[in-house]
Amino acid sequence: KNQVEQSPQSLIILEGKNCTLQCNYTVSPFSNLRWYKQDTGRGPVSLTIMTFSENTKSNGRYTATLDADTKQSSLHITASQLSDSASYICVVSDRGSTLGRLYFGRGTQLTVWP
Amino acid sequence: EADIYQTPRYLVIGTGKKITLECSQTMGHDKMYWYQQDPGMELHLIHYSYGVNSTEKGDLSSESTVSRIRTEHFPLTLESARPSHTSQYLCASSESQTPRRGETQYFGPGTRLLVL
Repeated sequence: KNQVEQSPQSLIILEGKNCTLQCNYTVSPFSNLRWYKQDTGRGPVSLTIMTFSENTKSNGRYTATLDADTKQSSLHITASQLSDSASYICVVSDRGSTLGRLYFGRGTQLTVWP
Repeated sequence: EADIYQTPRYLVIGTGKKITLECSQTMGHDKMYWYQQDPGMELHLIHYSYGVNSTEKGDLSSESTVSRIRTEHFPLTLESARPSHTSQYLCASSESQTPRRGETQYFGPGTRLLVL
């Protein structure tokens, strides 16, 4: 069964600190992996996208890594800000259909405290 | 910032009422999607469309229906709302890219529906 599991479910950190969010998936055949940020009451916004051959991708203070062999990805946030408080969703796409089926994780709820 | 809009943002309605959730995008994307999301849970695809006059049901069974008469517009309708329909509904759109690269979906702000 194709699944995407994220950990931790929630995380509280102090402003200025770094953190790392994890994503494990069993989706096959793998096409790409995205990290989305979803602010409360808003729709998800894409942060990074990585294909099979990409190991790391940065977007400002966000750095995503991908290990396609172990089917793991991480999102590292550097020097966290209050505005980073949001749910971070890992989304994996397969190549098994023309739709490019997306599998969503439940997200990690990050809270940054001052 | 994606040019995809949803109205209303919040809706409280009684059981049995007919409702239509609006979604429109100005990016000219052919593909559009409706997702349902409960708090702390993953998004579930309920409907999608590849273009005008094309609609398909998604993975999650839904009593809602959709239509795609215009490229930019993809409304979702519930003929008779029930408390079990209480949820957040997210609309998204995407344009075709290379198969390897995949498509980035751009999401609207969502509609939070409460059925009493």
